[in-house]
Amino acid sequence: RKEVEQDPGPFNVPEGATVAFNCTYSNSASQSFFWYRQDCRKEPKLLMSVYSSGNEDGRFTAQLNRASQYISLLIRDSKLSDSATYLCVVKGPNYGQNFVFGPGTRLSVLP
Amino acid sequence: SQTIHQWPATLVQPVGSPLSLECTVEGTSNPNLYWYRQAAGRGLQLLFYSVGIGQISSEVPQNLSASRPQDRQFILSSKKLLLSDSGFYLCAWSPRRGGAETQYFGPGTRLLVL
Repeated sequence: RKEVEQDPGPFNVPEGATVAFNCTYSNSASQSFFWYRQDCRKEPKLLMSVYSSGNEDGRFTAQLNRASQYISLLIRDSKLSDSATYLCVVKGPNYGQNFVFGPGTRLSVLP
Repeated sequence: SQTIHQWPATLVQPVGSPLSLECTVEGTSNPNLYWYRQAAGRGLQLLFYSVGIGQISSEVPQNLSASRPQDRQFILSSKKLLLSDSGFYLCAWSPRRGGAETQYFGPGTRLLVL
């Protein structure tokens, strides 16, 4: 089993739609969780950290379920500019100083 | 504020030629430093990480090597490039104190080996 798995995608949604991405991780000792976005031919950029109680940043909501080892990202009212690949990232003591990246889920928001 | 630089931005090299990619970080001290490779349409593969000057850990055995001659400088090298070395090379840093701190990426170097 891969350490971090994500929905395979791609997701093609119309503008204004709500879209949810799922991510699972295998190491129960993982401590920190993040969502990054990567635009085509660019570097990944931090979108948001994921906190145990869940957190929201504008149209973006992240949830963490430690019991199920599951992370989600919800995007409401999708914009064309949301089109990108979304990467789930996990960090924990067993990885030392390393971050484990999921393969990513590609989103295309269509006009 | 912290910034991370990589150069060159793009590079076309023949098979068998040497490689040197440089990464520098500004605005922080004692960072953890990382080299990743991303093949076309694929995920990120961690190549090397460093927690201090001269301290390099290799994640994947291959014909690449890394060095950290200064606190905020990280270099990726190869003596002889292979076709399979083509990809998008990303340098990243994270604060030494770890914990919930996240990782920040440079703009990357796109390498094409012909």
